[in-house]
Amino acid sequence: AQKVTQAQTEISVVEKEDVTLDCVYETRDTTYYLFWYKQPPSGELVFLIRRNSFDEQNEISGRYSWNFQKSTSSFNFTITASQVVDSAVYFCALILNSGNTPLVFGKGTRLSVIA
Amino acid sequence: DAGITQSPRHKVTETGTPVTLRCHQTENHRYMYWYRQDPGHGLRLIHYSYGVKDTDKGEVSDGYSVSRSKTEDFLLTLESATSSQTSVYFCAISETGTGVNYGYTFGSGTRLTVV
Repeated sequence: AQKVTQAQTEISVVEKEDVTLDCVYETRDTTYYLFWYKQPPSGELVFLIRRNSFDEQNEISGRYSWNFQKSTSSFNFTITASQVVDSAVYFCALILNSGNTPLVFGKGTRLSVIA
Repeated sequence: DAGITQSPRHKVTETGTPVTLRCHQTENHRYMYWYRQDPGHGLRLIHYSYGVKDTDKGEVSDGYSVSRSKTEDFLLTLESATSSQTSVYFCAISETGTGVNYGYTFGSGTRLTVV
């Protein structure tokens, strides 16, 4: 079975600090996708990124960057120069590339950015 | 914006009463999912559907049933609501059962309180 672990339950940073959210996953399959979602205080789930298990290139999108390392089964998310608007719950998730096994979520990390 | 709507958005019900939540999509996607979100647990899968009248159980299916009589609607029924079913319920849709597409599209959620 698949498992996603987000060990950090809550993180609090001061605005403009960099912050990294950790995600460790478990699967025996070799082909899978990893995701990050953001849930702002308004409650909706916002897609941030999808990463294919065959693509270990790091990705940067503005202040956001993702570090995918298969060797450590990790898919960490870094926010550079954090802003108050980044305050949210962030979920890491995994889905296999075969069969109908649904998306499995980590328990989420609540990020609070203080002005 | 996405073609998925959940109803009702909020509901308060009494212990022991049946409750039905509705998820409606206009995307003609084959796959539909029900998750519940609770503090400290992230999102956990209740039931999912991979076609009309084709459903399967998720991690936390006890006390819930589902029905999908047409592509666009996926109903979640709490047969006899209990306080432990107080939660936020999210519906999701997907074109495929894997991550080949960009994962799931989520509804806005239904906040259910059982008193």
